Amino acid sequence: QPQLQESGPGLVKPSETLSLSCNVSGGSIDSGSYYWGWIRQPPGKALEWIGNIYYSGKTFYNPSLKSRVTISLDTSKNRFSLRVTSVSVADTAVYHCARRPSFSGYESFDYWGQGILVTVSS
Amino acid sequence: DIQLTQSPSFLSASVGDKVTITCRARQGVGSFLAWYQQKPGKAPKLLIYGASTLQSGAPSRFSGSGSGTEFTLTISSLQTEDFATYYCQQQNSYPITFGPGTKVDIK
Repeated sequence: QPQLQESGPGLVKPSETLSLSCNVSGGSIDSGSYYWGWIRQPPGKALEWIGNIYYSGKTFYNPSLKSRVTISLDTSKNRFSLRVTSVSVADTAVYHCARRPSFSGYESFDYWGQGILVTVSS
Repeated sequence: DIQLTQSPSFLSASVGDKVTITCRARQGVGSFLAWYQQKPGKAPKLLIYGASTLQSGAPSRFSGSGSGTEFTLTISSLQTEDFATYYCQQQNSYPITFGPGTKVDIK
């Protein structure tokens, strides 16, 4: 079974860049037929999809964040990363990484990291 | 974006009750709909995908139905460990969207 673990700073200043990594164990991120995604959840609120990256490197982003978001793969370290530029207090949330199989198209996010709280504050 | 609504927003029920949660999509999403359970401080857990397929490891008391714009998640006999918040999610088209959640509490 794959395991996903987020890492990165828990505090970011407004206007700076949020950078997180998701380390994957128990499977290779470039083995094929998986999307690797980021989903966030502001305190007390619902889940918001940020974006996915396919094992091939193709990316899909939420238009609400697209201009500020980059998701990338690092196959040498078996991890994928998230960058969000120009953050504001509205970006304060628990950030989860997750895996989504793409064998039939119907599968959804089946393995998740525990999440990391990122607070945007000066 | 495809907006999802859930009803009810909050549900109070007893152990052993049959519980039904509804998710409605503003536009048709085919069967590209999933259901998750989330407990406080934990990551969401996938219960149902493809509208009605039970995720491996999810208890058989959970079932899903529907297609197009209206979907239901049913818990046949509520157990103590089922008190949580439930979210629906569509992936028929980007951006992937989640519903606002339904909190199931102890009566």
